[in-house]
Amino acid sequence: SQQGEEDPQALSIQEGENATMNCSYKTSINNLQWYRQNSGRGLVHLILIRSNEREKHSGRLRVTLDTSKKSSSLLITASRAADTASYFCATDSGGYQKVTFGTGTKLQVIP
Amino acid sequence: DAGVIQSPRHEVTEMGQEVTLRCKPISGHDYLFWYRQTMMRGLELLIYFNNNVPIDDSGMPEDRFSAKMPNASFSTLKIQPSEPRDSAVYFCASSSTLAGGWQFFGPGTRLTVL
Repeated sequence: SQQGEEDPQALSIQEGENATMNCSYKTSINNLQWYRQNSGRGLVHLILIRSNEREKHSGRLRVTLDTSKKSSSLLITASRAADTASYFCATDSGGYQKVTFGTGTKLQVIP
Repeated sequence: DAGVIQSPRHEVTEMGQEVTLRCKPISGHDYLFWYRQTMMRGLELLIYFNNNVPIDDSGMPEDRFSAKMPNASFSTLKIQPSEPRDSAVYFCASSSTLAGGWQFFGPGTRLTVL
């Protein structure tokens, strides 16, 4: 079963615009991670936010976490064509190392 | 470091045949994960190991699937006999307790069972 559900399922934007993806989950977590998957490739870790953190930044990425709403958002600012990929949230589900991946948001950035 | 290495990258086989997928995790990582990704079911965790010991195999779909990790640098996922519904991309990932806990994925093996 999947813990996280991403929204929207697909997103198409123009280069330079910001992209926002949301993740909702069902049970309490210790941390939440975001991963990127380029077509035909393995997933690449982007950022990890712990349950006691509300916001985290990494370059053009900004992640927020609202544990009361059991939701997280990933914001990519000033998007580039190279950001075109699928983005997944992942939540730990008991064991610290074991995570459950969401359904993913497919982002297309049009040059 | 070369990252997580998987072989083969592509495998086409006929129903009923045995399939063995291989994975070399990143040196020093103490966790290894096997995932399956399909359009219908998304990314599913099949099994994971800690220090070469299987911790949770609840995601292994059937007895046809088995996984081993004989040492810290090698793991296999075997399907015997294979069926068309096993067609998917299989990923291996590794992580380290001491290095943040996020997972490093291999490039995947695309399996097609005819």
